[in-house]
Formats: sequence, C-alpha cells, structure tokens
Amino acid sequence: DGGITQSPKYLFRKEGQNVTLSCEQNLNHDAMYWYRQDPGQGLRLIYYSQIVNDFQKGDIAEGYSVSREKKESFPLTVTSAQKNPTAFYLCASSMDRIAHGANYGYTFGSGTRLTVV
Amino acid sequence: AQTVTQSQPEMSVQEAETVTLSCTYDTSESNYYLFWYKQPPSRQMILVIRQEAYKQQNATENRFSVNFQKAAKSFSLKISDSQLGDTAMYFCAFLSGTYKYIFGTGTRLKVLA
Repeated sequence: DGGITQSPKYLFRKEGQNVTLSCEQNLNHDAMYWYRQDPGQGLRLIYYSQIVNDFQKGDIAEGYSVSREKKESFPLTVTSAQKNPTAFYLCASSMDRIAHGANYGYTFGSGTRLTVV
Repeated sequence: AQTVTQSQPEMSVQEAETVTLSCTYDTSESNYYLFWYKQPPSRQMILVIRQEAYKQQNATENRFSVNFQKAAKSFSLKISDSQLGDTAMYFCAFLSGTYKYIFGTGTRLKVLA
C-alpha cells in the first residue's frame, strides 16, 4: 500500500545534540511538508519542498534543516539551535503543491514524538 | 493575516447521536478551500471532508457533512450517528490562494458508549 512512513515513532534527544527525523513516501508525490504539532497550537509549517533539490522555509524554520535529494525522502534535522524541540512532528505529501493539495488534501504520516531529556 | 478558530477544545457525544464542531476563519480572499481533518489516537491525520469556497452546496461524505456559511466565514462539521471510532481530535484547515495550509487548534471529540 502506498503511504508515508515516519521513523522513529519516539525519539529522545540530549541537550546540544542534532537529531534527524525520517520521512519516506512511495506515493510518487512531488511535494512534501514538515509540520510541528504542540498542544493547543494546531499544526505549524516548518519546511516544504515542491521538487527534488529544492525546499522553502515555512513559518517556524529556525533551528531546523531539511534536504530533498530523492523524491521519496524528506528528512528533517532538529539542530541544537532549536531551543524548544519537544513536540510531535508530522510529515505530509501531495501530488503537487497546488491543485492536488486543494482537491485531495495532504497525505500524512503517523508522526514522530521528539522529547529532549 | 488569515486565521482559523476552533472555539471548542473538547466535546463529547453519545454513540448514535449527532454532534456539530465549530470553525470560523478570517480571510480577505474570495477563492479558497476548507478542510476537516481527523487525528485519531494513532496520531495520523486523515482527511474527512473538503469544501471549495466558490461552491454554495455544502459538502457531504457519508455521516459527515458541513455547514458552510461564506458570508459569516463559518465552516462547521456535523457528524451524524456518531460511532466510537469517531473519537479523535478534529482540525479545521484553510488553504489559501498561496496554497498554504492554516490549521485551527483542534477539537477533541469523545464518543461515549
């Protein structure tokens, strides 16, 4: 079945460490997105990518970095510069950023829960 | 700036009853899309229903329907014949002309047996 796989499901980070969250999709979607979910705040866009080797900052990109070397993969690195990284992170994709997302919504992964210890 | 407001943090409904979740939004755009997403305990977001702003007819998907009031900027979700599997967090979302999603803060719905 096609879908989005996020790993790991739970991740613990020590202060000062960088960690990378994996997001893989086999839907042949061009556009991919990273969202952060905090209690009482809904979802906020971190980064998005419309094609391979291109990505754009979202609303809360500070302290995060991404890469898009393959169409299927869009990993998110939470750097030590992110002061409050404890959150739930969701990856999503759509066929394209425009028509498909409007007509069919996004497909989401099942998320990664990151905790700073 | 566009905003989406869900004023009901938590709601509960008896199984087989009907419940309505509220959502209001603010925008100066005339063409946009509205969505309701469901996030069950598994945490994976699932699209429930969508509405195009230029369509006056309210969208329906089986037991789920919306009441779209464009002038009032209101987009409520009605769930009929509620089932235990409907227990989830529900997010209202607005897709702007720049194709950026704006999500509300969510309503946690619990269906009681």
